[in-house]
Amino acid sequence: AQSVTQLGSHVSVSEGALVLLRCNYSSSVPPYLFWYVQYPNQGLQLLLKYTTGATLVKGINGFEAEFKKSETSFHLTKPSAHMSDAAEYFCAVSSSGGSYIPTFGRGTSLIVHP
Amino acid sequence: DAGVIQSPRHEVTEMGQEVTLRCKPISGHNSLFWYRQTMMRGLELLIYFNNNVPIDDSGMPEDRFSAKMPNASFSTLKIQPSEPRDSAVYFCASKREAGELFFGEGSRLTVL
Repeated sequence: AQSVTQLGSHVSVSEGALVLLRCNYSSSVPPYLFWYVQYPNQGLQLLLKYTTGATLVKGINGFEAEFKKSETSFHLTKPSAHMSDAAEYFCAVSSSGGSYIPTFGRGTSLIVHP
Repeated sequence: DAGVIQSPRHEVTEMGQEVTLRCKPISGHNSLFWYRQTMMRGLELLIYFNNNVPIDDSGMPEDRFSAKMPNASFSTLKIQPSEPRDSAVYFCASKREAGELFFGEGSRLTVL
């Protein structure tokens, strides 16, 4: 079984501030982890993913995430928020145990204040 | 390379009417998913296909919903009869094996 928990349905930051969106997962086998972003009136698009290898992964638009097995976490960060980062962010997990069918978190809405 | 293509982008219909949503997955992808997104319930997986075969339809709300994938390049999600509570954005997504999902732009359904 696999599951994802995203802490905080809304996160509010000022422009230029650090962005931290939290994601914890559970999986009985090694997971594949993903962050997706959804802008208003659009579909979800991949920000970054971890499959194997380096635990710090870099994605588009300056975002990165670190896979921490001991903490079962895959938090998403960006050093400096931009107004254009305002969107909904989804963390997802998949694994061989789940036939690589992704399980999504509930999503976190990022609000960026000028 | 074209992404996942969904049609229509917007559909407004009256209660009791039949609604058909269409999806063309990315060529070469062997899995196709239908999701529903609402403010109240978030993103829900309705059904997914692997190699054109429905694998898990446990997320389909009720018998009014049906989905087909007659070939590798086309899928439909049908609601008959439609009800106001079916109003939502419906997404189609596809992927290859253990890869990431590629989503379409969605079909926004409003049932009056």
